[in-house]
Amino acid sequence: DTEVTQTPKHLVMGMTNKKSLKCEQHMGHRAMYWYKQKAKKPPELMFVYSYEKLSINESVPSRFSPECPNSSLLNLHLHALQPEDSALYLCASSQETGWAREQYFGPGTRLTVT
Amino acid sequence: ELKVEQNPLFLSMQEGKNYTIYCNYSTTSDRLYWYRQDPGKSLESLFVLLSNGAVKQEGRLMASLDTKARLSTLHITAAVHDLSATYFCAVGTGNQFYFGTGTSLTVIP
Repeated sequence: DTEVTQTPKHLVMGMTNKKSLKCEQHMGHRAMYWYKQKAKKPPELMFVYSYEKLSINESVPSRFSPECPNSSLLNLHLHALQPEDSALYLCASSQETGWAREQYFGPGTRLTVT
Repeated sequence: ELKVEQNPLFLSMQEGKNYTIYCNYSTTSDRLYWYRQDPGKSLESLFVLLSNGAVKQEGRLMASLDTKARLSTLHITAAVHDLSATYFCAVGTGNQFYFGTGTSLTVIP
């Protein structure tokens, strides 16, 4: 199984809502990532988890809160977002040994903040 | 910080023609990746290049890596409409993974 799954595919939320994005992989990968991608731009790294521990936080605002409950699952909790947070949110995973390894991307969640 | 530049940013080419996309990066890299992204979709892995002189081909696409020049190329042969997409190179080094700016390719009949 070489698939990374993400739910939901689309999410519309108001600025006062709380919602969560979910990402799952069953490839035995020990590194997982969240990226944010605006239209016609490359993905921007948000968070990296290595062995279920947060190893990189690229100065992301606290209204984004990642969680890695186990080695297969990665969540991104959203609260009090702004319209400029509307974007495609991509989850990826890679093997454990150094994260310059190839990353496998999920289908993404298209988020719209109203 | 490692910088990854692609050119051109936009490419419109006729079906049947050949063209090359360039990916330059600013420091030593362990590995180089090419991804394809269709509008509104996720990134699809095309090639993984692991060493100097590596060349990989899949259908009408061929990727190469020159680590001494810090340059990778993605060559398109006899383009077809289905190749229309955005192509990203990404460079991995140590604990970092950097995406290029992307090349938006449109193949016109």
